[in-house]
Amino acid sequence: NAGVMQNPRHLVRRRGQEARLRCSPMKGHSHVYWYRQLPEEGLKFMVYLQKENIIDESGMPKERFSAEFPKEGPSILRIQQVVRGDSAAYFCASSPGQGEYGYTFGSGTRLTVV
Amino acid sequence: AQSVTQLDSQVPVFEEAPVELRCNYSSSVSVYLFWYVQYPNQGLQLLLKYLSGSTLVKGINGFEAEFNKSQTSFHLRKPSVHISDTAEYFCAGGKGAQKLVFGQGTRLTINP
Repeated sequence: NAGVMQNPRHLVRRRGQEARLRCSPMKGHSHVYWYRQLPEEGLKFMVYLQKENIIDESGMPKERFSAEFPKEGPSILRIQQVVRGDSAAYFCASSPGQGEYGYTFGSGTRLTVV
Repeated sequence: AQSVTQLDSQVPVFEEAPVELRCNYSSSVSVYLFWYVQYPNQGLQLLLKYLSGSTLVKGINGFEAEFNKSQTSFHLRKPSVHISDTAEYFCAGGKGAQKLVFGQGTRLTINP
């Protein structure tokens, strides 16, 4: 049973380009969460999705960031017109239900904006 | 506001010594508490969790934590550490755990 799969592991983008981060939850998990880890900081919640629905996006920046979890395929975190401040590790987690069991995290995507 | 505070950013200890990593949470966070470990360039692995019941929680790799409601603490302990325990440790909490609040992390360094 594969864990939470994130790709790519490393992503380099020039300022102004778009970044697409993918997350495939564990088999049987229908809840996905995205977190961002800035250098020397803990993880900060961004968004919580179920299939085809955004449940809580209170941690998402108002502009340039969007997330989706379609009926088929992985969850996508999209960052448009990236800036240097977007450089961070982005982690995806999944859970089978309401999350009281604790998340399972992927290995993350490390985004570097140059 | 919800908050989780890890009181030490770095903790150096000698191999086979005991260790305690401290975590305090705001009372609005409560309910569910977790400790995660992050090895270099990897994701977070769940060490243990407190949901309810016994206040002493045992996790993987010999770690345990004690939930103390009166002191709003959830400190992580291990009686004897190994070199392989060198990592970053994160305390987290939340209501319902849909949206966890993480502490800033504690870097545990084990010296031979």
